[in-house]
Amino acid sequence: KAGVTQTPRYLIKTRGQQVTLSCSPISGHRSVSWYQQTPGQGLQFLFEYFSETQRNKGNFPGRFSGRQFSNSRSEMNVSTLELGDSALYLCASSSTPITYNSPLHFGNGTRLTVT
Amino acid sequence: GESVGLHLPTLSVQEGDNSIINCAYSNSASDYFIWYKQESGKGPQFIIDIRSNMDKRQGQRVTVLLNKTVKHLSLQIAATQPGDSAVYFCADRNYGGSQGNLIFGKGTKLSVKP
Repeated sequence: KAGVTQTPRYLIKTRGQQVTLSCSPISGHRSVSWYQQTPGQGLQFLFEYFSETQRNKGNFPGRFSGRQFSNSRSEMNVSTLELGDSALYLCASSSTPITYNSPLHFGNGTRLTVT
Repeated sequence: GESVGLHLPTLSVQEGDNSIINCAYSNSASDYFIWYKQESGKGPQFIIDIRSNMDKRQGQRVTVLLNKTVKHLSLQIAATQPGDSAVYFCADRNYGGSQGNLIFGKGTKLSVKP
């Protein structure tokens, strides 16, 4: 079974631009969640989608948004990029929502650098 | 998992030795715990999980111990190999708040000396 696929692997953007990251979950997984990982803050939860509905959202500004499609693929968008948005963005999928006893399976992430 | 600050704790072990990585969690209501391994340039990889109704669970070369009394979780790796070198972090399921119900620790860097 193929794992979680994230594209692109690397992105370089300038301040003020916007970016869209893509995530394809493991086949059959309907829950997709997004995390921001930085050396200082570790893994910070962005949001979770299950069956195209956002179930939970972390403490990030409205510039961060996401959506999930009917095939469970998900996209994350960051508008008006700031230098502090430079991070590794990780997508994780699960067969059930996070609130259930099933582990998250992560992709290898998209490394975003904002200059 | 709890915040352990900006600098990752580091554990250095000799190849073939056993490794023990520790993690503290803060919410006594947490009922599900997961260990992840993250190698450089990769996403976190699921290792093993444990529910709060258990205090020990074994996998291949790994054992997770849960002590709910002191809110402590440990991961034991038997016969550590160079391929085990990575950052290890725990996560606990914590209802409520804004963390999507899973709280991740900052991690411990394991270095295996050949």
